[in-house]
Amino acid sequence: DAGVIQSPRHEVTEMGQEVTLRCKPISGHNSLFWYRQTMMRGLELLIYFNNNVPIDDSGMPEDRFSAKMPNASFSTLKIQPSEPRDSAVYFCASSLAYTQYFGPGTRLTVL
Amino acid sequence: RKEVEQDPGPFNVPEGATVAFNCTYSNSASQSFFWYRQDCRKEPKLLMSVYSSGNEDGRFTAQLNRASQYISLLIRDSKLSDSATYLCVVNANFGNEKLTFGTGTRLTIIP
Repeated sequence: DAGVIQSPRHEVTEMGQEVTLRCKPISGHNSLFWYRQTMMRGLELLIYFNNNVPIDDSGMPEDRFSAKMPNASFSTLKIQPSEPRDSAVYFCASSLAYTQYFGPGTRLTVL
Repeated sequence: RKEVEQDPGPFNVPEGATVAFNCTYSNSASQSFFWYRQDCRKEPKLLMSVYSSGNEDGRFTAQLNRASQYISLLIRDSKLSDSATYLCVVNANFGNEKLTFGTGTRLTIIP
């Protein structure tokens, strides 16, 4: 299995631009998670889906952030408009029965 | 009080030594416990689950003390490749897959 796939691996953009991060979970996993990691705040859960349905989005910072999971093999996290404080590494993870497997992450820099 | 607290370190330990980390959690109803390992600029990876009876995987031993609400990880005969950040992880709610990550303990094994 290829594991969790994320794209892009690196993204540099300017403040105010829209950013879309993509994730393909491990085939057969029924839960998908989006995390953000910074030095100051550590690893924070933004949102998680179970069977493509959002279950807990309490970690989504504000309305600028949105996430979708149109099918079992694809999810997006969108930031519009982006701000410098959104700079972080964004991880996607998938799981089957509580054990989460992380993708390699997207390193986002907003100038 | 943070949901999961760890000593951030850094721990600088000579090769071959034994090192132990502790982690405390605030929610007494927490159900599942894990140790994850994260290498520099990489994604977190599951090291081991932590069971009430304690469990061992090679040089690694994990213990859970529910009464005191702490989890420990012991690494024996440490190797250079053990250098990483170790994340204490707790699942607080049965039926909800949300994991709460500690900020991690940084370990460096010195030759």
